[in-house]
Amino acid sequence: DGGITQSPKYLFRKEGQNVTLSCEQNLNHDAMYWYRQDPGQGLRLIYYSQIVNDFQKGDIAEGYSVSREKKESFPLTVTSAQKNPTAFYLCASSSGSNRGSTGELFFGEGSRLTVL
Amino acid sequence: AQSVAQPEDQVNVAEGNPLTVKCTYSVSGNPYLFWYVQYPNRGLQFLLKYITGDNLVKGSYGFEAEFNKSQTSFHLKKPSALVSDSALYFCAVRLNTGTASKLTFGTGTRLQVTL
Repeated sequence: DGGITQSPKYLFRKEGQNVTLSCEQNLNHDAMYWYRQDPGQGLRLIYYSQIVNDFQKGDIAEGYSVSREKKESFPLTVTSAQKNPTAFYLCASSSGSNRGSTGELFFGEGSRLTVL
Repeated sequence: AQSVAQPEDQVNVAEGNPLTVKCTYSVSGNPYLFWYVQYPNRGLQFLLKYITGDNLVKGSYGFEAEFNKSQTSFHLKKPSALVSDSALYFCAVRLNTGTASKLTFGTGTRLQVTL
């Protein structure tokens, strides 16, 4: 079935360690996104990518990095520079608007990161 | 800049009664508006969207939403609530930037449906 797969579902990290969250999609979507969810704050955009080998910062990119080497994959690295990394991370994708898409996002099941 | 406001942190409804979850937006130009639902420790599921045309939009699981341009609102409604509708609901507005669909989300409204 087509969809978005995020792994791991749960991740624990010690302070000072980098961690990478995986996101893979088989929807043939051009655009991919990473959001962070904190209680009472809704979703905030970290990074997004419109095409392979290109990505842009979102509203809260500091302390995070991404890559887009393949259309299907958009991994997120939470670096030690991120001051408050404990959160629920959501990956999403959408087809490009130049193909008539109305732009709704399709989400993965999320990854919960806890810093010990 | 675009923004979305969901003025209620929580809405409580008895099963069988109608429900409304409120959303107002601010965006330059014509908005694309969306509703998503989230169950605990899960991703967001798309419910419905308004792009153009009829102001009343019908979506999944019996939900609908009414677009009101003069009031800049996009309230989510359902004629008869179910206990299984209890979840976190997000309203979102779209800024079309190139081929990416950058959605701005509200802070969410928790819907609690009781017997």
